[in-house]
Amino acid sequence: QVHLVQSGTEVKKPGASVKISCKASGYTFPNYGIHWVRQAPGQRLEWMGWINGGDGGTKYSPKFHDRITLTTDTSASTAYMELNGLRSEDTALYYCQTYDYGDSGGRAFDLWGRGTMVTVSS
Amino acid sequence: DVLMTQSPLSLPVTLGQPASISCRSNESLVHHDGRTYLNWFHQRPGQSPRRLIYKVSNRDSGIPDRFSGSGSGTDFTLKISGVEAEDLGIYYCMQGTHWPTTFGQGTKVEIK
Repeated sequence: QVHLVQSGTEVKKPGASVKISCKASGYTFPNYGIHWVRQAPGQRLEWMGWINGGDGGTKYSPKFHDRITLTTDTSASTAYMELNGLRSEDTALYYCQTYDYGDSGGRAFDLWGRGTMVTVSS
Repeated sequence: DVLMTQSPLSLPVTLGQPASISCRSNESLVHHDGRTYLNWFHQRPGQSPRRLIYKVSNRDSGIPDRFSGSGSGTDFTLKISGVEAEDLGIYYCMQGTHWPTTFGQGTKVEIK
């Protein structure tokens, strides 16, 4: 069965960094990208960036491009999201997601982690 | 960024009755490859979002056929032919045509 398992809750002070992991299982990790999406309390879902599970290529939302770093460890089928310069507005539930539309002949699918809560507070 | 606007934001429903959610974008969502990357997600309280519909009208595996998606260009609709209790929660539209991906603000479907 396919899963994305995320690391646990984080509490950080303003200005600190956080690094969240997302371990994939049940599918061939290099074949699909990992997206990172966050959800602040009462706010809409917000796409942060994407990393290619195979070659590590990235695309970042302009809103986060100067503070976010996405990486992978393909040997561990794990993706990481690091966010620097944390502020109170970064308090949110952070999700990793992978999906495919099936355009290349495979089955369409959509898979989310359960989310990692990050609280930024002094 | 492409702005996605959903309506209504709150949708009181009677179980068994149909429901409809609108999603509009401020730019056409037709990609230069000819496809339209408009998806619908459902999120129950305390759970991760789950994709229901991809590329306007394709139901994901395991999604009941009471859910249907339609639309084109900038105007899209999600319909539930008869709402069941498990359908309550928040629905989001999402566009993946233009970078960065953006989501609607969500429509909360609740019991009337």
